[in-house]
Amino acid sequence: ETGVTQTPRHLVMGMTNKKSLKCEQHLGHNAMYWYKQSAKKPLELMFVYSLEERVENNSVPSRFSPECPNSSHLFLHLHTLQPEDSALYLCASSQDDLGGGHKTQYFGPGTRLLVL
Amino acid sequence: GIQVEQSPPDLILQEGANSTLRCNFSDSVNNLQWFHQNPWGQLINLFYIPSGTKQNGRLSATTVATERYSLLYISSSQTTDSGVYFCAVQFLDQKVTFGTGTKLQVIP
Repeated sequence: ETGVTQTPRHLVMGMTNKKSLKCEQHLGHNAMYWYKQSAKKPLELMFVYSLEERVENNSVPSRFSPECPNSSHLFLHLHTLQPEDSALYLCASSQDDLGGGHKTQYFGPGTRLLVL
Repeated sequence: GIQVEQSPPDLILQEGANSTLRCNFSDSVNNLQWFHQNPWGQLINLFYIPSGTKQNGRLSATTVATERYSLLYISSSQTTDSGVYFCAVQFLDQKVTFGTGTKLQVIP
């Protein structure tokens, strides 16, 4: 899928650093998502934005801060992360109906994050 | 609690063989998707299938929502089918939960 792009593709950061992950979708969708995939664990949904409003936050620590300035862009701001936050962070988008049902999600390639 | 379970957890196939992957879920759902994560970590959407049967080439999927399971069929498997297959379920409270995945290795 080339409709959803993520940068950077790889990131190494120290525990005191501040960095941001960027996601951009070129599909005209109205909903965007952040997922975390840790080794040997199921994919975890972190945040959902629908029509640029956050509609879901799955008990994610405050050291992860999402931002959705418009329907095409989604950021994940990172600060004072821990080594256990090392994972693959995936962004997705979908075109949701007015009833709130999430339709097919299209994923970006992910950012592989290593926290030292 | 709400659960999504996949089986088998690991599967090794000879090239050309057929296989069936299963996804069981614990509650009523709004929708269900099957994904393939390739060895490079990229997630590819395979099917959006809250109910019924769909086919796309060598792949097909069936969801029986009343019995709370979905099946993914892979026929004439190829080495490029290797990777992890996930089902993701959206329950009625809108939460999306992924299964633990089935790791498939297709050997020549």
